[in-house]
Amino acid sequence: ETGVTQTPRHLVMGMTNKKSLKCEQHLGHNAMYWYKQSAKKPLELMFVYSLEERVENNSVPSRFSPECPNSSHLFLHLHTLQPEDSALYLCASSQEGNQPQHFGDGTRLSIL
Amino acid sequence: QKEVEQDPGPLSVPEGAIVSLNCTYSNSAFQYFMWYRQYSRKGPELLMYTYSSGNKEDGRFTAQVDKSSKYISLFIRDSQPSDSATYLCAMSAISNTGKLIFGQGTTLQVKP
Repeated sequence: ETGVTQTPRHLVMGMTNKKSLKCEQHLGHNAMYWYKQSAKKPLELMFVYSLEERVENNSVPSRFSPECPNSSHLFLHLHTLQPEDSALYLCASSQEGNQPQHFGDGTRLSIL
Repeated sequence: QKEVEQDPGPLSVPEGAIVSLNCTYSNSAFQYFMWYRQYSRKGPELLMYTYSSGNKEDGRFTAQVDKSSKYISLFIRDSQPSDSATYLCAMSAISNTGKLIFGQGTTLQVKP
């Protein structure tokens, strides 16, 4: 496997469900990111992990809970989501600092 | 006012045309400038990465940064149908979190 891999690619869940999104990077990077991409809106940064520590939390509701167990893996735990949370969730990785970020293909999330 | 403005298009051109894509921004602290290409149902793919002002060329692609005007451009020469995608500009200030601010994206269609 190369690059940034995200699973699942598609997820449909009810508002009361709990699920997790997974991201794995094979680029040797030490920073990882979660973004939300909604139709007709710019990508919104949600969380940044650098050297496995969370360094940015962009005013994201607590129903989204990130986890970074090591520099290669990143999770986004979801619970009690709202219909407006339906979007494409993208994971990215880079070397820490202002280095270019490389993205996975995202998880398309639909909340019923 | 948005930090980064990008005309969403769509922009339709004939094959072989020169394409000009642009973004303006308001934050004079931005130093790093990127262009990403995003195909349907895929994640953003890094095309160009530049620091501060000037030009950078890579094959058919040229990125320009004019910090005095707070304006960046991406030129595509000899455009091909395979260039049909959404093009996202992104930029960041010097920081240890690598926080990127994205434009909304411009949808480009190159017609054979």
